[in-house]
Amino acid sequence: DQQVKQNSPSLSVQEGRISILNCDYTNSMFDYFLWYKKYPAEGPTFLISISSIKDKNEDGRFTVFLNKSAKHLSLHIVPSQPGDSAVYFCAASGGSGGSNYKLTFGKGTLLTVNP
Amino acid sequence: NAGVTQTPKFQVLKTGQSMTLQCAQDMNHEYMSWYRQDPGMGLRLIHYSVGAGITDQGEVPNGYNVSRSTTEDFPLRLLSAAPSQTSVYFCASSLLTGALHFGNGTRLTVT
Repeated sequence: DQQVKQNSPSLSVQEGRISILNCDYTNSMFDYFLWYKKYPAEGPTFLISISSIKDKNEDGRFTVFLNKSAKHLSLHIVPSQPGDSAVYFCAASGGSGGSNYKLTFGKGTLLTVNP
Repeated sequence: NAGVTQTPKFQVLKTGQSMTLQCAQDMNHEYMSWYRQDPGMGLRLIHYSVGAGITDQGEVPNGYNVSRSTTEDFPLRLLSAAPSQTSVYFCASSLLTGALHFGNGTRLTVT
């Protein structure tokens, strides 16, 4: 049973526009959510996180929104740049005070930003 | 800083062979973990450690052993390789709270 779901395998946007990547989760115990970005032949790199006590967290061009009642989070990238083209993983952990213990990852969404 | 270093980058094994995937970090991180990534799947946790001498199982531990004798190193041992263990393996480390830092992965093929 997949506890973290990224239902869009791929997304294509034009440079300068907004990219919205979505993630749903089923486990009510999750209280810390993260987004990782992965280029080919490299390991994932941390992008942004949010605790369940917040509904929004911003870092430059990246904003994560959390809707606990819907068990849904989204990552907004504004404006999108060609260098943002990568696979984006949503991840979640629960009951560990915001730590990375036993992260559960989604399958990832391939974002392509076209010049 | 080198960060998280994984060796080897690529490995081909025959069914039944054993090997050790190496992982070292130079950031003095307490937490280290191993994930595997398969096509169409997210990363799945194999084993993790919260400090030297302490290890625990993740989601998919069968067929793998780990040990943590030092803060820096967290090797992953395949006892008897099977084709189902063909995957890309990522080691990651962090402070007990904070973002995970991943290595660049080991691509393993078992024939």
